[in-house]
Amino acid sequence: GAGVSQSPSNKVTEKGKDVELRCDPISGHTALYWYRQSLGQGLEFLIYFQGNSAPDKSGLPSDRFSAERTGGSVSTLTIQRTQQEDSAVYLCASSYQPEYGYTFGSGTRLTVV
Amino acid sequence: DQQVKQNSPSLSVQEGRISILNCDYTNSMFDYFLWYKKYPAEGPTFLISISSIKDKNEDGRFTVFLNKSAKHLSLHIVPSQPGDSAVYFCAASAWKAAGNKLTFGGGTRVLVKP
Repeated sequence: GAGVSQSPSNKVTEKGKDVELRCDPISGHTALYWYRQSLGQGLEFLIYFQGNSAPDKSGLPSDRFSAERTGGSVSTLTIQRTQQEDSAVYLCASSYQPEYGYTFGSGTRLTVV
Repeated sequence: DQQVKQNSPSLSVQEGRISILNCDYTNSMFDYFLWYKKYPAEGPTFLISISSIKDKNEDGRFTVFLNKSAKHLSLHIVPSQPGDSAVYFCAASAWKAAGNKLTFGGGTRVLVKP
């Protein structure tokens, strides 16, 4: 596709349930990133995949969060036993050359009720 | 520990005038800096970047200035247009040390009044 695609665009879930968020990066982009933006806050780094290297998971806030990237393309961010503080917009981005920054998707707005 | 800070949460400017957005950082390993623009319900879009070997980069109405000794960068928009109304994020990376992972500031909401 022409851009980074994220699904679903909106997700409402009950506290304690698991959710999966999907990201389809731009074809050929070797790097993929997950960030989240809580209400009124900046973008918080979660995890970074670069080619075949081990992912940088240093931003994941707890062990309830995990992500994988299959075949160097699509990525899934999984949040287990969701809590209300997990409510945020989850943004995925991909990049090929750092001089041009990332290309972000439109995000998934997650609401935990 | 906020490594990238945008101390002005909002800015209001008249159409045609200059918008100046400021950003401060603390990590001396940062060597690449970017500005992103974000409209509601959309992902951030890349605006302009600067490497630490430069002190200025210009692209049309947008100019980014970097003062390494002060660990400060700024974005100038001249002339400001109503379509520039958005949230602007400053971001930095320690490219040589940590690859392309970006650390973002909290954002500055810009309102350009017609």
